[in-house]
Amino acid sequence: DAGVIQSPRHEVTEMGQEVTLRCKPISGHNSLFWYRQTMMRGLELLIYFNNNVPIDDSGMPEDRFSAKMPNASFSTLKIQPSEPRDSAVYFCASSLEGGLVEQYFGPGTRLTVT
Amino acid sequence: EDKVVQSPLSLVVHEGDTVTLNCSYEVTNFRSLLWYKQEKKAPTFLFMLTSSGIEKKSGRLSSILDKKELSSILNITATQTGDSAIYLCAGQGGSEKLVFGKGTKLTVNP
Repeated sequence: DAGVIQSPRHEVTEMGQEVTLRCKPISGHNSLFWYRQTMMRGLELLIYFNNNVPIDDSGMPEDRFSAKMPNASFSTLKIQPSEPRDSAVYFCASSLEGGLVEQYFGPGTRLTVT
Repeated sequence: EDKVVQSPLSLVVHEGDTVTLNCSYEVTNFRSLLWYKQEKKAPTFLFMLTSSGIEKKSGRLSSILDKKELSSILNITATQTGDSAIYLCAGQGGSEKLVFGKGTKLTVNP
């Protein structure tokens, strides 16, 4: 079975450019999570969706960040305009709805903004 | 605000040693505590704990939750170099959100 799929795996861009990260959750999972991991702050939840609906976006750092989930098998996280402090590894995770279930993580996208 | 704190932040041991990693949590409407192992890429799931005092075990790894002390430990016996990783602890409250600690970086030297 394919796990969570993320693309691209690496992204290097210049400050001010738009960046779009993509995620395909595990088939049948109806909760999807976007995380950001840095050395300083660890692994932080940015936003999560349940049945394609955003439930909690309180972790989204500012208006430059936006996320969508147009259908059950695809989600995007967009940063516009990007800044050097956005450099981090961005993980997508998915799980079955219900709460007491583990989240499965994708391989991550390493973003570098110069 | 919910918070998870792990200690130590890093640990260096020799192969064969036994290690104990600590996690304390302050999570509103606490429901579960999860442990993940992160090598060079994505975190992979180890354990989910919901009840105090019941040990979960997988090979040389084991974990237990103490809801009175708001804490959990992860034990690894007879460590191997392949156990070198960052171990993450996460608390889950009333929603599906997980709040992660900063992790313990374990290095096992041959």
